[in-house]
Amino acid sequence: DAGVIQSPRHEVTEMGQEVTLRCKPISGHDYLFWYRQTMMRGLELLIYFNNNVPIDDSGMPEDRFSAKMPNASFSTLKIQPSEPRDSAVYFCASSGSMGPETQYFGPGTRLLVL
Amino acid sequence: QKEVEQNSGPLSVPEGAIASLNCTYSDRGSQSFFWYRQYSGKSPELIMSIYSNGDKEDGRFTAQLNKASQYVSLLIRDSQPSDSATYLCAVGNNNNDMRFGAGTRLTVKP
Repeated sequence: DAGVIQSPRHEVTEMGQEVTLRCKPISGHDYLFWYRQTMMRGLELLIYFNNNVPIDDSGMPEDRFSAKMPNASFSTLKIQPSEPRDSAVYFCASSGSMGPETQYFGPGTRLLVL
Repeated sequence: QKEVEQNSGPLSVPEGAIASLNCTYSDRGSQSFFWYRQYSGKSPELIMSIYSNGDKEDGRFTAQLNKASQYVSLLIRDSQPSDSATYLCAVGNNNNDMRFGAGTRLTVKP
């Protein structure tokens, strides 16, 4: 079984540019989570979806961040415009029949904004 | 006060010893508790979950939960160098989201 797939694995961009991160959850999972991890703040939940519908986006830091899930097998997290403080590892996780809290993480996207 | 607190470590134990990792949480309504292991440069991996007071054992790992004290721990018996990683405590509530602690870095020395 393929796990959660994220792309790109690494992204280096300049301040002000748009960044789009992509995630394919495990097939059959109906929950999808986006996290951000930094040394200073640890692992933070940004937003999660259930059956493609955003349920809680209270962790999204500001309007520069947006997330979509157009279908059950694809989600995007977009940052526009990007800033150096957005530099972090962004993880996508999904969960299914074991319950929303039994989450399986993707490999992450390491973002560096110069 | 942070919602989920862990000692950041590093915690260093010799090979074969018991490693004890601790976590406290602030939300008394929390229902589910998890331990994730994260190797350097990798993603978190779920290793234990516990929902009721007491101990839960899985191989060399034992999770302990005390809801009255708002405390959850992870014991690793017969620690191996391959157990060297950061261990994240996560606490779930009724809102289907989880809050993670900052993690404890464990080093097992051969």
